[in-house]
Amino acid sequence: EDQVTQSPEALRLQEGESSSLNCSYTVSGLRGLFWYRQDPGKGPEFLFTLYSAGEEKEKERLKATLTKKESFLHITAPKPEDSATYLCAVSGTASKLTFGTGTRLQVTL
Amino acid sequence: GAVVSQHPSRVICKSGTSVKIECRSLDFQATTMFWYRQFPKKSLMLMATSNEGSKATYEQGVEKDKFLINHASLTLSTLTVTSAHPEDSSFYICSARDPWAGSPDTQYFGPGTRLTVL
Repeated sequence: EDQVTQSPEALRLQEGESSSLNCSYTVSGLRGLFWYRQDPGKGPEFLFTLYSAGEEKEKERLKATLTKKESFLHITAPKPEDSATYLCAVSGTASKLTFGTGTRLQVTL
Repeated sequence: GAVVSQHPSRVICKSGTSVKIECRSLDFQATTMFWYRQFPKKSLMLMATSNEGSKATYEQGVEKDKFLINHASLTLSTLTVTSAHPEDSSFYICSARDPWAGSPDTQYFGPGTRLTVL
């Protein structure tokens, strides 16, 4: 059974204070690892797909990296508008997404 | 690109009634759509996979007679919650895969529907 564990559960940063979110996973036949952003009361917004260990992708202040056991979402110099829940998911041989419980990020002035 | 819409965004109904939620892919054709349920401060739980022109595949523990799914076209899937009860109150989110996107497993999510059963 595919499993995803995210840490920390919640993170509070000051504006400009860089940090990383962790996603540990076990999956049978990784087809992709996905990062989404979810605002309260909204559906998840797609950020990145990573396919293999060593791969990195960037978008504005976000950078996602992947190893064989975990993925990191690095947030550089965050702004208050980056406040959201960040979800990690994996797709295995069943081609279905298994989600973690997310990291709730709050960025304060 | 890859925009998914849901309607309604919010619905309140009485116990025992049925509620239909629509999920549409606006700028692509989706042969496969998914329905999720999300409880407060919890992650997304896959309920069923909807394939155009065929019967939906339900996850273990999800009552197929309770949650009716129809995927009649390449841009529309519907979820009907039949004989709704207060325990069915939840946030329902659909997603769709764009078969022509560079990443075949990437799912694009709708904005969600908040169902409250009184």
